[in-house]
Formats: sequence, C-alpha cells, structure tokens
Amino acid sequence: GAVVSQHPSWVICKSGTSVKIECRSLDFQATTMFWYRQFPKQSLMLMATSNEGSKATYEQGVEKDKFLINHASLTLSTLTVTSAHPEDSSFYICSARDPTSGGEQETQYFGPGTRLLVL
Amino acid sequence: GQNIDQPTEMTATEGAIVQINCTYQTSGFNGLFWYQQHAGEAPTFLSYNVLDGLEEKGRFSSFLSRSKGYSYLLLKELQMKDSASYLCAVMDSNYQLIWGAGTKLIIKP
Repeated sequence: GAVVSQHPSWVICKSGTSVKIECRSLDFQATTMFWYRQFPKQSLMLMATSNEGSKATYEQGVEKDKFLINHASLTLSTLTVTSAHPEDSSFYICSARDPTSGGEQETQYFGPGTRLLVL
Repeated sequence: GQNIDQPTEMTATEGAIVQINCTYQTSGFNGLFWYQQHAGEAPTFLSYNVLDGLEEKGRFSSFLSRSKGYSYLLLKELQMKDSASYLCAVMDSNYQLIWGAGTKLIIKP
C-alpha cells in the first residue's frame, strides 16, 4: 500500500521558535496532501488541504500565517508552525491520497505523525 | 450541519465478535471510510465503502446502507491487539472527509 513518512516524529522546542514538519509520499505522487491536528483523546481536526504548486486551503479558525504550508513537489509537503506557543502542543498528522489506487483513490494514507511539545 | 455519530467506547472479550456502528448526516456522499488508530499513533486505513452492502477483509468487515445513513465495522475473532480507537469518516459532496469522534474498543482476556 501507499506509504507516507513524516519527519521529525518528536519535537520539543521553546516558546516563540518555529518548527518545520515534513511529509513525504514515498512510493507515489500526491497532488493533494492534508494536515491534521489531534489533541489527546479527541478526533482528528483537519487544518488545511495542501495542493502541489498552489496555495493551501485552510479550514475555518486555522491561522494561515501561523501554520505555513508549502507543497513544492508531488512528494513533499511541509508545515511550519511559526512562533510556537504551549497551546500549539499537539499531535500533527499528514495524509496523502494515492491517485493511482483505482477505486480507492479517495483513500487517505497517513504519516506516522509528529508530536510537538512547546515549552 | 454535517454529523457523524459512533459510540464513545465499547468493551469486548478476546475471541468474540464486536460490531461498531456509525450513522451519518452529510451534504452528499462519496464514500465511507473506517480507520484504526492505536494510542499515540496515526490512523491506518481499514476499509472503504461507496456502494451498499458488505465488504469483507479477513477478520474485518464493513457494511454500508446509504438510504439509512448507516455503516458498521464488524471485527471477528478479536485479539488483544485490536484494542484501539476506530474512526468512521464520510466523504461529502465536496470530497471533504467528515470525521467521527472515534470509538475506543477495549478487549478483555
């Protein structure tokens, strides 16, 4: 099946610093990638949809200037949390669609997630 | 508004069968997904239903009734490793995924 990687898996940073998270589709080209955030014991919350070569589409309530998304190639999307604060501490997960997976082309395959702790 | 309902928590015994229900109300329908998520990990894809009926994959089966806005995930021969949260998600007319809150399944020996 489709494989999606994320890096880093863990980040601990000081308040006010910026953190970049990478999401890669390893064995397929993903024109669309998604960024989610998940707080403990809560469901996934979609933050933004990232389209290769164009601006990301942000969900309501998500600050685009704080969560910068760049989808520069068909296999890489990055999420940068700028000026991170303790309330940004969360589990960030990316996913990607494999457009070649036949009838299940709408299926999203998830990266392993990045746990961010802002002190 | 759009809504996905599934039970918060269920408990079952190792070796038994459990059915996790999901009901949905969405603007349009382009498929229903089930994902498994172990604590502290990202979700993994289990099944996709877009037509009515039962899809079987080994110990896991997923059923869909579009007219009733209803799906279930059936897990047979439960194993301890099946302890996880099971997320139901529906793709609406805009191809956006609407997520349920997840059902935490606890397996007891």
